[in-house]
This record gives sequence, C-alpha cells and structure tokens, in this order.
Amino acid sequence: DQQVKQNSPSLSVQEGRISILNCDYTNSMFDYFLWYKKYPAEGPTFLISISSIKDKNEDGRFTVFLNKSAKHLSLHIVPSQPGDSAVYFCAAGEERSARQLTFGSGTQLTVLP
Amino acid sequence: EPEVTQTPSHQVTQMGQEVILRCVPISNHLYFYWYRQILGQKVEFLVSFYNNEISEKSEIFDDQFSVERPDGSNFTLKIRSTKLEDSAMYFCASKRTVNTGELFFGEGSRLTVL
Repeated sequence: DQQVKQNSPSLSVQEGRISILNCDYTNSMFDYFLWYKKYPAEGPTFLISISSIKDKNEDGRFTVFLNKSAKHLSLHIVPSQPGDSAVYFCAAGEERSARQLTFGSGTQLTVLP
Repeated sequence: EPEVTQTPSHQVTQMGQEVILRCVPISNHLYFYWYRQILGQKVEFLVSFYNNEISEKSEIFDDQFSVERPDGSNFTLKIRSTKLEDSAMYFCASKRTVNTGELFFGEGSRLTVL
C-alpha cells in the first residue's frame, strides 16, 4: 500500500544548482503535504508544507509545488548547498484531522561541493 | 525552541523482553504519535493518541504494543515481548491542535533486539 511514492531513492546535485525532489500520491483524501529532512540518527525535521488550496509555497531557498490533477508534488531547493545533503521525505495527510501522516520512502540528496 | 524529547536514545534487549520507550511531547501539544523506521525502510505510522485514548493504529500495532500517558508530560510506548523484527528507530511526534498539519518529531530511540 504505497499511498505516497518517491520513485528516486537518490539524487546528486552540484553545489549552487537546483535540486528537484519529486513525490506522487494516490489518496484523494490527502489535502496537506509536507517535506521533512532527516539526517542519520536524528528524527525527521519539518521543512515546508503546502495545503491543497495552493499550488505553490515558498520559504527562502525551498519551494514546494503541488499539481493536484496529477497528484504530484515537488520540492525545489535553489541554490543547493552541501549542508542540504540528507534524506528528504514527502508526507501527506489531512490538514484538519488528527489522522496520521503517510510518508514516502525518501530520497537521499547529495550536494557535491 | 520547544522540542520533543525521547529516552533512551539506544536500547539493546533480548528477544522476549519487555521494552518501554519514553517521550516527552511539546508541552502545549494535544496529539501524540509513535512512528518507526526499520533500517533502510520508510517511516511507518504505529499509533496516534488524543484525550487519553488511542485515536488510530496501524496493523503493525498489535497486542504486543501499548501506549500510555501516565502523567501530564510523558507518553510511553511499551512492547510487551520483543521480537527480532521490532529492531528499528522509534520516533515520537506531537502536534498542538487538530488544525495543525505539521508534526514535530523527537530524535528517536533506537531499539536493537538480539
């Protein structure tokens, strides 16, 4: 049951370039989407979110795009920095709900200096 | 900045032993969660807790698992008789209200079952 899918297990990008991480979902009930960043031996850290009423949300170097018709979202990091190297998890849930978040399998981003 | 804290950071136990993992959620948060991540796999939901009762649980959360909020601050996950496949990182998370989508996670407790 893969309601949230991240099809790329890894991505390497040169420092200063754009990183684009992708995520697809299947559950139409999801109306809130988040990106978490995770370093080894640490808990997931919230990065940025987007509600289904929007198609874009920007916070500094991070922008999340949502395409509801395609059930697809992406995280853009520009410019990428070596400190961005981590595993990035896409998560989805229902905003005004106590229900749990469903996570994707993660994408390991490596930013090369 | 307030944070979710978890203890122990690492526990090694023998198969069949009971384990209790502890969490102190952020103080004004009302919704509490346990997730786990088996090495190399995705973060999986175990259970959510609100108003002193379980709101939702996954198929992983069988009769060997239980959660409790014994006082006003701690939120515990008990595994009654551990199995080898329970070895994982266990993450506690909390959120303030039902209108907040974002969960705040602790740093995790690594459980190794031998």
